[in-house]
Amino acid sequence: QKEVEQDPGPLSVPEGAIVSLNCTYSNSAFQYFMWYRQYSRKGPELLMYTYSSGNKEDGRFTAQVDKSSKYISLFIRDSQPSDSATYLCAMEGNTGTASKLTFGTGTRLQVTL
Amino acid sequence: EAQVTQNPRYLITVTGKKLTVTCSQNMNHEYMSWYRQDPGLGLRQIYYSMNVEVTDKGDVPEGYKVSRKEKRNFPLILESPSPNQTSLYFCASSLYAGGGDEQFFGPGTRLTVL
Repeated sequence: QKEVEQDPGPLSVPEGAIVSLNCTYSNSAFQYFMWYRQYSRKGPELLMYTYSSGNKEDGRFTAQVDKSSKYISLFIRDSQPSDSATYLCAMEGNTGTASKLTFGTGTRLQVTL
Repeated sequence: EAQVTQNPRYLITVTGKKLTVTCSQNMNHEYMSWYRQDPGLGLRQIYYSMNVEVTDKGDVPEGYKVSRKEKRNFPLILESPSPNQTSLYFCASSLYAGGGDEQFFGPGTRLTVL
């Protein structure tokens, strides 16, 4: 079983839709939760960062972490064609095997006009 | 401009021919890392470096070497490439290791080994 599971998609939605992207994980030592966005032929870029449980909002993007369920989500409101990319969840802890960044496999999102 | 650069961006080579992929960052970051990205497997760490002259294996180090002689540079060396090393490679850096520090990624190097 992988430490981080992420549905690879692809996920296709019409412009303006609300998008929900999710990851589950098994290592309870993870404390830092991130979403990276990767456009085609580019390197990943940090989109959202959350420490421990809770919600964080930044414009059209909301990140949620539920440590009790080992489940994290990224919501995109009013999705735009420019949001078309692969979204990678990533997690990190402080000690032992959790002290390095562990990525999900990524979900490819296509927002259509 | 703060950035991580990699060269070459694309490389086609043959089995057994030694190659080096360079990585450089201009942000004075201590932590640098190499990843490979494969369909269905995501980003997997190959090697990382906590600082100059300090390197360690990641999840998939077999067949790769690295060195960190200067803070800004972290080259990836394939002494005898094989077809299973055909992949998309990313170098990344962050100010420090751990603690949720943002990693900055290079543009990627697409390597094909025939």
